[in-house]
Amino acid sequence: AQSVTQLDSQVPVFEEAPVELRCNYSSSVSVYLFWYVQYPNQGLQLLLKYLSGSTLVKGINGFEAEFNKSQTSFHLRKPSVHISDTAEYFCAVGRRALTFGSGTRLQVQP
Amino acid sequence: ETGVTQSPTHLIKTRGQQVTLRCSSQSGHNTVSWYQQALGQGPQFIFQYYREEENGRGNFPPRFSGLQFPNYSSELNVNALELDDSALYLCASSLLAGDSRYNEQFFGPGTRLTVL
Repeated sequence: AQSVTQLDSQVPVFEEAPVELRCNYSSSVSVYLFWYVQYPNQGLQLLLKYLSGSTLVKGINGFEAEFNKSQTSFHLRKPSVHISDTAEYFCAVGRRALTFGSGTRLQVQP
Repeated sequence: ETGVTQSPTHLIKTRGQQVTLRCSSQSGHNTVSWYQQALGQGPQFIFQYYREEENGRGNFPPRFSGLQFPNYSSELNVNALELDDSALYLCASSLLAGDSRYNEQFFGPGTRLTVL
């Protein structure tokens, strides 16, 4: 069985500030972890993924995430956010079928 | 390269009716997964189809059924609609190759179903 907990339902942040979106997971098998972004009225777009290897994963749009096995976490970070980063972000775990968290709404304010 | 497309974009049904949602997979992909995303929630896995056979199912009742066609497009059918079936239904396609342990899923824009 696997599960994902996103610890913050909403994260307000000012433009050009750094941000961290938190994700904790549990899985009984080898862990494949993902972050997806969903813009209003759109499907999901893959930001980055961890399959194996380096625990620091870089993705699109300047996002990165760090896999921490001992803390079972996979937090998403960006050093400087833009207004256009306002969206819903989902952490997910799985191989062929994904288990998603409930999402974090990132609201970037000017 | 054409991405994943879904139809219709929106539809409204009444309780007890049946609905069919359609998905065209990305070129070169052979697997389709369906997810239900209720308002304010993350997507939940319904089932996956590979080579026209169901290849895994989430915790959804049998009134949720599917098909995959030889061209790898897919349908999701829901019978006896309930109010709680109102959601965004997402289709994702991927390429599952042999003994691969992971196949990246590419999502369509979804179909918004409202059950009254």
